[in-house]
Amino acid sequence: DIQMTQSPSSLSVSVGDRVTITCRASQRIDSYLNWYQQKPGKAPKLLIYAASNLQSGVPSRFSVSGSGTDFTLTISSLQPEDFATYYCQQSYSPSRTFGQGTKVEIK
Amino acid sequence: QVQLVQSGVEVKKSGASVKVSCKVSGDTFTSYDINWVRQATGQGLEWMGWINPNSGHTGYAQKFQGRVSMTKNTSISTAYMELSSLTSDDTAVYYCARESFLYGMDVWGQGTTVSVSS
Repeated sequence: DIQMTQSPSSLSVSVGDRVTITCRASQRIDSYLNWYQQKPGKAPKLLIYAASNLQSGVPSRFSVSGSGTDFTLTISSLQPEDFATYYCQQSYSPSRTFGQGTKVEIK
Repeated sequence: QVQLVQSGVEVKKSGASVKVSCKVSGDTFTSYDINWVRQATGQGLEWMGWINPNSGHTGYAQKFQGRVSMTKNTSISTAYMELSSLTSDDTAVYYCARESFLYGMDVWGQGTTVSVSS
């Protein structure tokens, strides 16, 4: 299986901060990379698909970069509603895998 | 709009099986794969497998091979996930999510809590 490794596992930030989350795949996955946001007690929500496409309704403060094995999710100016856990997920292999998650907490 | 509605809370004994349903409404059932993902309390998302509702083809995570079965009933637009030989490690919230290749898992069910006790 393709292993997905996110870093950091958690971070404490303030409203207005710039946040960067990294996701690394154990093998090349081209652009078959999706990002999800999950808030406590809720189902995950798709943010970005195919490495660089924002899902409808996702604010433009979210951006992504990368291809191959290394990917980055950036939130340019963190808003109160962005405090959540973020997961990357590869769809290169029929056996899907998620990263372990990055929890963005209030400082 | 598209909705995936899952069945309710399940409480099981160790060694039993559980079958969770996921009913799709608002779109064509056979147009998207259905994935099953679980999440233990305080833990991350764990992908379990998928089913293509059109063909019935399935793919399972190696961890669950031999213990999971994903099926569908096209006439009622419902997908099912059955997990057998339950242990306390299977206590989790189970989600279904539709996926269109390249477009990610864009619609999720509300989750089904499965509790397993000895």
